[in-house]
Amino acid sequence: DIVMTQSPLSLPVTPGEPASISCRSSQSLLHSDGKNYLEWYLQKPGQSPQLLIYLGSNRASGVPDRFSGSGAGTDFTLKISRVEAEDVGVYYCMHALQTSFTFGPGTKVDIK
Amino acid sequence: QVQLVESGGGVVQPGGSLRLSCVASGFTFRGYGMHWVRQAPGKGLEWVALIWHHGNKEDYADSVKGRFTISRDNFKNTLSLQMNSLRVEDTAVYYCARVGYGATLGGMDVWGQGTTVTVSS
Repeated sequence: DIVMTQSPLSLPVTPGEPASISCRSSQSLLHSDGKNYLEWYLQKPGQSPQLLIYLGSNRASGVPDRFSGSGAGTDFTLKISRVEAEDVGVYYCMHALQTSFTFGPGTKVDIK
Repeated sequence: QVQLVESGGGVVQPGGSLRLSCVASGFTFRGYGMHWVRQAPGKGLEWVALIWHHGNKEDYADSVKGRFTISRDNFKNTLSLQMNSLRVEDTAVYYCARVGYGATLGGMDVWGQGTTVTVSS
């Protein structure tokens, strides 16, 4: 199975400032179709997870453009251009390259 | 509006069985693949199972293979998870989620509120 790792695991942020989370996979998520099968999810406190990014860099419907995904192969990054208070929660990356999807351990983002 | 509502959770003894349901509304259920994802208390997310939109193909995490069965009724807009031979480590909140983007089998764009399964003697 593909193992997903994230860093940092805890990220105190200041509203209005940028923030960045790294995700690495144990094998390349680049498919022969040229797409990177990496997704980002946010689970706000007390809520179900929500999809932010799919195929490495595509924002899901309704996701604010302050969220962006980048990277390829085994190294990926989620960036928040200007953090807002509503962005607190746990961020997970997940590979979708093959079934037996696996999530990263999660990065807990909270306000300083 | 687009919605998924899970039910069927509860407390069961090790070795017991439970059947979870997820009722979909607000979209054409038969057109979408569906997942079950779980979250143990205080832990991260774990993918459990996927069923294709037509219901003819499914896949499972190794941790549940041979014990859990995912199924769907496209006439009743209902997704199910039959869980047998339950173990203490199956204790979790179970979410159903929709495959929202045809370009990927992931892309879980709609999630239910979750139903809690507790396996304990």
